[in-house]
Amino acid sequence: RKEVEQDPGPFNVPEGATVAFNCTYSNSASQSFFWYRQDCRKEPKLLMSVYSSGNEDGRFTAQLNRASQYISLLIRDSKLSDSATYLCVVNGAGGGFKTIFGAGTRLFVKA
Amino acid sequence: GAVVSQHPSWVICKSGTSVKIECRSLDFQATTMFWYRQFPKQSLMLMATSNEGSKATYEQGVEKDKFLINHASLTLSTLTVTSAHPEDSSFYICSARGDFQETQYFGPGTRLLVL
Repeated sequence: RKEVEQDPGPFNVPEGATVAFNCTYSNSASQSFFWYRQDCRKEPKLLMSVYSSGNEDGRFTAQLNRASQYISLLIRDSKLSDSATYLCVVNGAGGGFKTIFGAGTRLFVKA
Repeated sequence: GAVVSQHPSWVICKSGTSVKIECRSLDFQATTMFWYRQFPKQSLMLMATSNEGSKATYEQGVEKDKFLINHASLTLSTLTVTSAHPEDSSFYICSARGDFQETQYFGPGTRLLVL
């Protein structure tokens, strides 16, 4: 089993749609969690941290369920500019303070 | 957010030459820097983790004699790909993290093409 596993994608959605990404992690001792966004041929950029209480930033909502070892990202009212690969990132997975990246889920938002 | 730069942004070299890539944290002290490699349509793969002033920790399968990492100061780490071969062609990305930070900040990446 992979240490961090994401929906394989790609997701093809029309503008305005709501889309949800899921991520699971294997190490229950993992300490912190993030969603990054990576555009084609660019470096990953931090989108948001993920907390057990859930956090929201505009159209983006992230949730963490430690009991199920599950992280989600919800994007509401999708824009064309949301098209990118979304990476689930877990700190402390695999022991120590190691950072593990999920393989990413590609999102295409169409007009 | 914190700024990390990388230089060069792209490089083309002949097989057998060595290539040095620099990673700098511009507005914070990076106690830890990470080097990743990403092949087309694949996920980021961590190559090594380096802490300022100490030897880098390499991931399994990454040759430390081929990928030399130096983290001599709190704002600079370098990756040298020695005797590069075409299969080393990839997108190399560094990231940096300061003390008590959990977030990594990524450099813009370096595209390496070995002919």
